[in-house]
Amino acid sequence: KQEVTQIPAALSVPEGENLVLNCSFTDSAIYNLQWFRQDPGKGLTSLLLIQSSQREQTSGRLNASLDKSSGRSTLYIAASQPGDSATYLCAVRRMEGGSEKLVFGKGTKLTVNP
Amino acid sequence: GAVVSQHPSRVICKSGTSVKIECRSLDFQATTMFWYRQFPKQSLMLMATSNEGSKATYEQGVEKDKFLINHASLTLSTLTVTSAHPEDSSFYICSARDLQMSSTAFFGQGTRLTVV
Repeated sequence: KQEVTQIPAALSVPEGENLVLNCSFTDSAIYNLQWFRQDPGKGLTSLLLIQSSQREQTSGRLNASLDKSSGRSTLYIAASQPGDSATYLCAVRRMEGGSEKLVFGKGTKLTVNP
Repeated sequence: GAVVSQHPSRVICKSGTSVKIECRSLDFQATTMFWYRQFPKQSLMLMATSNEGSKATYEQGVEKDKFLINHASLTLSTLTVTSAHPEDSSFYICSARDLQMSSTAFFGQGTRLTVV
C-alpha cells in the first residue's frame, strides 16, 4: 500500500527566506507526483506536476524535484513571501485496485512571517 | 487553468437529514470525478470515483448507501450524504480529470459540512 509522508508537518520562516518541503513515498511505481497548495477552508490549487520520467519542474519561485528510485520529492520555494503561507500537499498518482488514484500526504503547514 | 465549481461551500444541517453537494467542471469535460473527505489536520482520503454514465466505485469502508454519487453528465457529479450524523461533519472536496489533460486533476473549493 502506497504511503506518502511529508516532513515537516509545520514550518515557520521569516519573509525572504528560501525553504524546502519534503515528500516521500513508499512505492516507486507512480505515474506522476503533484504538489498542491491549500488555503484554510479552501480547496486545492495545483502548483506543479512532475511526470514519472521527469526529474524536476519549475514555475516562478517554485521548483519541484522528483527522485522516483528513492521515493522522494522536494518543493523549493525561493524568496518566500507572507502570501505563500498555506498548507502544501504532495500527492502521487498510481494504479490501485484497477484504477488510477491520487494518494496524498498530510501536508506541511507553512507560515511566512513579515 | 481548468475550473471546477463546488457548491455549496458551507452547509449546516440537522441530524437525520440529507445534503447534496454539486461538483461541476466549468470549461472542460470530465469523464471521471473523485470525491474526497478531509478531517482536520489530516490528508485527503478518497471516498469514491465517479464515472459518467456508470456506477461509482467506492473505497473500502465507505458506505455507498450513505454517500450517494451521481455522475449524469460530463460536467456534473453530485454527492448526497443521506441521514447525516454529527460524525459525518467534515470537509468534502471533489476533483475532476480533464479528458484532454488526463494526467492533471483539478479540484473544487470544497464543502464544509456541519451536522448538528
